[in-house]
Amino acid sequence: DVKVTQSSRYLVKRTGEKVFLECVQDMDHENMFWYRQDPGLGLRLIYFSYDVKMKEKGDIPEGYSVSREKKERFSLILESASTNQTSMYLCASSPLKGSYEQYFGPGTRLTVT
Amino acid sequence: TQLLEQSPQFLSIQEGENLTVYCNSSSVFSSLQWYRQEPGEGPVLLVTVVTGGEVKKLKRLTFQFGDARKDSSLHITAAQTGDTGLYLCAGLYDSWGKLQFGAGTQVVVTP
Repeated sequence: DVKVTQSSRYLVKRTGEKVFLECVQDMDHENMFWYRQDPGLGLRLIYFSYDVKMKEKGDIPEGYSVSREKKERFSLILESASTNQTSMYLCASSPLKGSYEQYFGPGTRLTVT
Repeated sequence: TQLLEQSPQFLSIQEGENLTVYCNSSSVFSSLQWYRQEPGEGPVLLVTVVTGGEVKKLKRLTFQFGDARKDSSLHITAAQTGDTGLYLCAGLYDSWGKLQFGAGTQVVVTP
């Protein structure tokens, strides 16, 4: 059974804190993605990685950075959390070729107070 | 970024009724995917359509890709309470596998 796991289901942080969201996939996929999901806005791509140490900005990268030191792990970092980063964060992985089906983790509900 | 618009945003129906969800864009996509997301979970792929005019059936769900590959629809026949969820369409817009998602249609099926 394919799996994408995220380190936390719920997280509450204070404004200005550094926040790490971790994602691990066990499917040997090349691609990994970080999205945020807000009501009425759908899923918006924050960052994308197509290989170890390779990353590309998505549509809304401001205030975020990422790290991919190993193929199976993709981390999202909020350098200094702000209240407008309160959201649901979803990680996904997909193969580099073929159907490009994305497999999602269960999400992390982050609240910044 | 190529925009995908979904309609309606919200749909509430009773068990046994039919429903259709639409996904439209002014851009051409090489393929289009439909996902369903249940509360507290990530989206799960239902189907991928690739060819213009293609129709795919998954039990009571019928997916159609427009001839020009700019739009798609999802039709559910005789809806069941288990069909409740957020339905998302997503267009593949580059060869790296990046998807553009619509905002989603929340479907609620009541007994």
